[in-house]
Amino acid sequence: DGGITQSPKYLFRKEGQNVTLSCEQNLNHDAMYWYRQDPGQGLRLIYYSQIVNDFQKGDIAEGYSVSREKKESFPLTVTSAQKNPTAFYLCASSIGQELERNSPLHFGNGTRLTVT
Amino acid sequence: KQEVTQIPAALSVPEGENLVLNCSFTDSAIYNLQWFRQDPGKGLTSLLLIQSSQREQTSGRLNASLDKSSGRSTLYIAASQPGDSATYLCAVRPNDYKLSFGAGTTVTVRA
Repeated sequence: DGGITQSPKYLFRKEGQNVTLSCEQNLNHDAMYWYRQDPGQGLRLIYYSQIVNDFQKGDIAEGYSVSREKKESFPLTVTSAQKNPTAFYLCASSIGQELERNSPLHFGNGTRLTVT
Repeated sequence: KQEVTQIPAALSVPEGENLVLNCSFTDSAIYNLQWFRQDPGKGLTSLLLIQSSQREQTSGRLNASLDKSSGRSTLYIAASQPGDSATYLCAVRPNDYKLSFGAGTTVTVRA
């Protein structure tokens, strides 16, 4: 079955450590996204990528970094510069390019990151 | 900046009652609007996507309407079931790639 796999489901880290969240998709989608979800708030866009080797900052990119070396993979690194990293992180993908505008987003099951 | 609001934040209804969920947005220049379902601790599942030129979309017991000029969308779920208990989120898409999400309405259907 095609889908988006995020791992791990739960992640615990000490303050000051960088951590990388994995996102892999086998939907052959060009576009991939990272969102952050906090209680009582809508999803906020961290980074997005429309094509391999290219990505753009979203609304809350500070303290995060990404790479897009393969079409299937879009890992997110939460750096020690992120001031409030504890949150639920969601990866999504869509078809991409001009077709993408009216294609729905597909989401993974998320990674809950706790930093203490 | 586009703002998306979903009121109420939570809703509890008895089984069999029809559900009406509201979504409002401040900028009518949208490309489409999507409704999603989220179960606790899970990702989002796309339910319906309404293009800006459409007035409504239907899938089974779900019907979503869009009034772009007034900045409103409504998701109707007919004959609710306990399995419909979840959080429902709407998201609007302007002409770029950044969807704006509402905070969601958490629905509980009582058996």
